[in-house]
Amino acid sequence: QKEVEQDPGPLSVPEGAIVSLNCTYSNSAFQYFMWYRQYSRKGPELLMYTYSSGNKEDGRFTAQVDKSSKYISLFIRDSQPSDSATYLCAMSEGSGGSNYKLTFGKGTLLTVNP
Amino acid sequence: ETGVTQTPRHLVMGMTNKKSLKCEQHLGHNAMYWYKQSAKKPLELMFVYNFKEQTENNSVPSRFSPECPNSSHLFLHLHTLQPEDSALYLCASSQERWGTQYFGPGTRLLVL
Repeated sequence: QKEVEQDPGPLSVPEGAIVSLNCTYSNSAFQYFMWYRQYSRKGPELLMYTYSSGNKEDGRFTAQVDKSSKYISLFIRDSQPSDSATYLCAMSEGSGGSNYKLTFGKGTLLTVNP
Repeated sequence: ETGVTQTPRHLVMGMTNKKSLKCEQHLGHNAMYWYKQSAKKPLELMFVYNFKEQTENNSVPSRFSPECPNSSHLFLHLHTLQPEDSALYLCASSQERWGTQYFGPGTRLLVL
């Protein structure tokens, strides 16, 4: 079983739709969860960062972590064409100064159609 | 320049060539990373440097040779690469090792 599973898509939605992106993982020691957005021909940029279980909201974006199910989600409300990108989930056992590397999913390619 | 920059943005090389990728971070960070991103695969960590010292080599073949002369600059020297090494090579930096990582735009490498 891969450490982090993420459906690569592609996912195509109309403008204004609610988008749900998901990752599952097998390592119960993961505590820090991130979502990166990567536009075409660009490097990944950090979008959301959460610790342990629960929800975090930032504008149109909501990140959810369910550690009991080993499942994380990113919701995008009122999706816009500018949200079209590849979304990568990443997670680690520790943060900052600890010897814990990031483990990434493969990324989901999202297209929002005007 | 701001953030993390990488040069060149695109590189085509033959298997017998020697080339170098350059990364520079303008964020005052102390840790720098090289990643490989191939189609349909997760990002693969290659090397980690913290305060110019290499702290991790993720079983990378010796045809990839990193160099970190100071905390702001990171190089990846390439020689006798294989076609399967064609990928996007990403540099990242963070304030401390394994802190929040900021990525550069990457170098798209094609090995013929």
